[in-house]
Amino acid sequence: ETGVTQTPRHLVMGMTNKKSLKCEQHLGHNAMYWYKQSAKKPLELMFVYSLEERVENNSVPSRFSPECPNSSHLFLHLHTLQPEDSALYLCASSSITSGRADEQFFGPGTRLTVL
Amino acid sequence: EDQVTQSPEALRLQEGESSSLNCSYTVSGLRGLFWYRQDPGKGPEFLFTLYSAGEEKEKERLKATLTKKESFLHITAPKPEDSATYLCAVQAGRDDKIIFGKGTRLHILP
Repeated sequence: ETGVTQTPRHLVMGMTNKKSLKCEQHLGHNAMYWYKQSAKKPLELMFVYSLEERVENNSVPSRFSPECPNSSHLFLHLHTLQPEDSALYLCASSSITSGRADEQFFGPGTRLTVL
Repeated sequence: EDQVTQSPEALRLQEGESSSLNCSYTVSGLRGLFWYRQDPGKGPEFLFTLYSAGEEKEKERLKATLTKKESFLHITAPKPEDSATYLCAVQAGRDDKIIFGKGTRLHILP
């Protein structure tokens, strides 16, 4: 496996379900991100982990819960979602280096549909 | 308020017809500006990072340039396989926040 992988690629869930999205990076990076991409809107940053510690949480509802057990793996736990949470969820990773901008490398995304 | 605006929203070109996409930004403390390409149903693919005004980078038919207020992505003699959404993002501020634009959907007709 190379780059950034995400599973599952597609997910359909009811509003009462609990599910998890998984992301794995094989690039040796030290930061990982969750983004939400909805039609006609820019990518929305949800969570940032740097060196396995959460450094940013952009006022995301508590029904989204991230977990970063190590620098290569990132999870997004979902529970009691709303239909408006349907979107493409993208994982990204980068190598945070002092003095350089953080080029991000993205996974293919999970297309989530909430019924 | 920090902002990234891309124009046009969509662009249709004939194969071989060169053009430019614009990304204008209003941020303080620019650390870097990124261009990505995104194909339908896929994640964004990194293209370029530009760090300071006057900088240029090229890759095949694409050339990115940067001024103090905007960046251009020039596409020379495009081919149908260049059809995609092109995203611009900036990293700026004391907290190194990354802000994306809405993208430009580019369609190259054969």
